[in-house]
Amino acid sequence: DIQMTQSPSSVSASVGDRVTITCRASQGISSWLAWYQQKPGKAPKLLIYGASSLQSGVPSRFSGSGSGTDFTLTISSLQPEDFATYYCQQANSFPHTFGQGTKLEIK
Amino acid sequence: QVQLVESGGGVVQPGRSLRLSCAASGFTFSTYAMHWVRQAPGKGLEWVAIIWYDGSGEYYAASVKGRFTISRDNSKNTLYLQVSSLGDEDTAVYYCARDRRVIVPGGMMDVWGKGTTVTVSS
Repeated sequence: DIQMTQSPSSVSASVGDRVTITCRASQGISSWLAWYQQKPGKAPKLLIYGASSLQSGVPSRFSGSGSGTDFTLTISSLQPEDFATYYCQQANSFPHTFGQGTKLEIK
Repeated sequence: QVQLVESGGGVVQPGRSLRLSCAASGFTFSTYAMHWVRQAPGKGLEWVAIIWYDGSGEYYAASVKGRFTISRDNSKNTLYLQVSSLGDEDTAVYYCARDRRVIVPGGMMDVWGKGTTVTVSS
């Protein structure tokens, strides 16, 4: 199975900050990567697919990059509603594994 | 509007079985692959299974293979997950989710239900 490792596991930031979350795959997955946002008690929400494509309706302050084994999710200017947990997920092969999550907290 | 609604969760004794359902509406259900994803209390997301748009193929996580069965009834716009031989490790919120690509699955999920909770307890 492909292992997905996110860093950091948690991060504290302020409104207006730029934040970057990293996801590393244990083997190459080309661009078969998605990013999700999850708020407490809610279902995950797709933000980015294909490593860098913005899902419809998602604000442009979210962006994704990378290919192969190393990927990043960047939030250019944090808004209050962005404080949540973020997960990467590989879709290159089965099982479609998730990273362990990165909790973004208010500083 | 596009919607997925799960049902069928509850408290179940270890070793017993349960069938989860996911009712789809607002889109052509029969043209999308569908997934189940679960989340144990306080833990991260775990992908569980996928079924092809026409039911012709399916894959499972190793942790559930042989115990869980994914199926669908396109005439009823409904996805199912039969969960059997339940153990404590299966306690979780179970989400159904739509693959974002039509026909050929891309593995990324763009529509999610609110989840149904399964609690395994004696």
